[in-house]
Amino acid sequence: EAGVAQSPRYKIIEKRQSVAFWCNPISGHATLYWYQQILGQGPKLLIQFQNNGVVDDSQLPKDRFSAERLKGVDSTLKIQPAKLEDSAVYLCASSLLGGVFDEQYFGPGTRLTVT
Amino acid sequence: AQKITQTQPGMFVQEKEAVTLDCTYDTSDQSYGLFWYKQPSSGEMIFLIYQGSYDEQNATEGRYSLNFQKARKSANLVISASQLGDSAMYFCAMREIGGYQKVTFGIGTKLQVIP
Repeated sequence: EAGVAQSPRYKIIEKRQSVAFWCNPISGHATLYWYQQILGQGPKLLIQFQNNGVVDDSQLPKDRFSAERLKGVDSTLKIQPAKLEDSAVYLCASSLLGGVFDEQYFGPGTRLTVT
Repeated sequence: AQKITQTQPGMFVQEKEAVTLDCTYDTSDQSYGLFWYKQPSSGEMIFLIYQGSYDEQNATEGRYSLNFQKARKSANLVISASQLGDSAMYFCAMREIGGYQKVTFGIGTKLQVIP
C-alpha cells in the first residue's frame, strides 16, 4: 500500500513570495490533515478535510494560508505572501474516517525556509 | 491548561535497557484516543501505539507498551530493549471526541540511545 505522498520535500523562498505544497493521501482515506511543525515543537493542525469538505480550519491563518481538496483526493496548501515565521515543516496526514480511534498516517513533510 | 504535557525535553538510555517517556493529558471528554509517534531526523512521523479511553488493558506493540493510568490522566510510553535506531523525537498525542476530533500533540521528548 502506497503511503502519503508530498512534494516538494524542500523549498526555500524569500518573504512575501508565494509557495504551494501538494499532498496525495493513502487511497481510500476520507480524512486529510495539514500540520505545521515549527522547529522544537509538536505538529499543529492547520486544516482538516473530510472528503472535500473542511471540518476544522480554526488554526489556519486565513489572511495568508489557503487549502483545497478538490474531488476529495489530493490537496494543496498555499501560502501567500510568506513571512519569516512560516519557516517550518508542513506535514500532510490521512486517516480512513477521522474518528476518535482512527490512526493517522503521515507523509515525509515539506521543509519550508523563508528568508 | 495544556492538553498534552511532555515534561522530559531529552532522555538518554543505554542500549538494550528499557526507558519510559512521560505523557499526561487533560480532557473532559469520556471518549478519546491516545497516540504515540516517533519522528526520526528524517522528519516523517511514524505511528507507534494507540490506547483508547475505554480500553481496560494497556496497549502493546512489539517493544512498545503504553502504561495507561486513566485516573492520573497519564499515558507513558515504555520502550523495552532499546536499540540505536530508537534515537528520535517521540510525540504523545490525543484525539478527543469533541472539537471536530482534532488531534493535539505534545512538544515531544528527544530520546538518545547510547551504545
